[in-house]
Amino acid sequence: DARVTQTPRDKVTEMGQEVTMRCQPILGHNTVFWYRQTMMQGLELLAYFRNRAPLDDSGMPKDRFSAEMPDATLATLKIQPSEPRDSAVYFCASGSIGPGSSNTEAFFGQGTRLTVV
Amino acid sequence: GQNIDQPTEMTATEGAIVQINCTYQTSGFNGLFWYQQHAGEAPTFLSYNVLDGLEEKGRFSSFLSRSKGYSYLLLKELQMKDSASYLCAVRDRQGGGYQKVTFGTGTKLQVIP
Repeated sequence: DARVTQTPRDKVTEMGQEVTMRCQPILGHNTVFWYRQTMMQGLELLAYFRNRAPLDDSGMPKDRFSAEMPDATLATLKIQPSEPRDSAVYFCASGSIGPGSSNTEAFFGQGTRLTVV
Repeated sequence: GQNIDQPTEMTATEGAIVQINCTYQTSGFNGLFWYQQHAGEAPTFLSYNVLDGLEEKGRFSSFLSRSKGYSYLLLKELQMKDSASYLCAVRDRQGGGYQKVTFGTGTKLQVIP
């Protein structure tokens, strides 16, 4: 049963602390997305990787957020320093998407609920 | 970029039919998705349209008109478990073969007995 796995599921941290969220995409998927969801803004795209290369991170505050894919089985989203306004659910999604691919669906992980106090 | 609009909330009766509309504006349209998201859970894929017309999948159907920048999700024979948020998302061609998917803020559907 292939699925996207995110850790941790819940994280409470104090303002100013570093937060690292991890995502294991489905094996064989070439595309990874990071989304942030809040009640006010809905799902916002933060970063997009294809074949581990970042294609778009324009949705991410560059001064405090960073996204990487050290290898094909791990994507990370880091916030340093964290602020209360970063409180949200962070979703990772993966898919086999792109030129030459007929697939269209992105599969979402269960999300990391981040609370910064 | 995209501008995606859908109603914030809707209420419908069990057994009835409900239509959730989505309008969008984009310069490089390359597909529209509908996702379902139950409270506290991840979005799950429902449908994908890239050509005009109706795609039917069981109780759910999705329609697209590219010239009007319009789509709807039709849910038939509503069940209580259909109470969820329904997210419209548009895929947009960017430069270099990159395709960006942007989500609307979702329509929260409440199904009542």
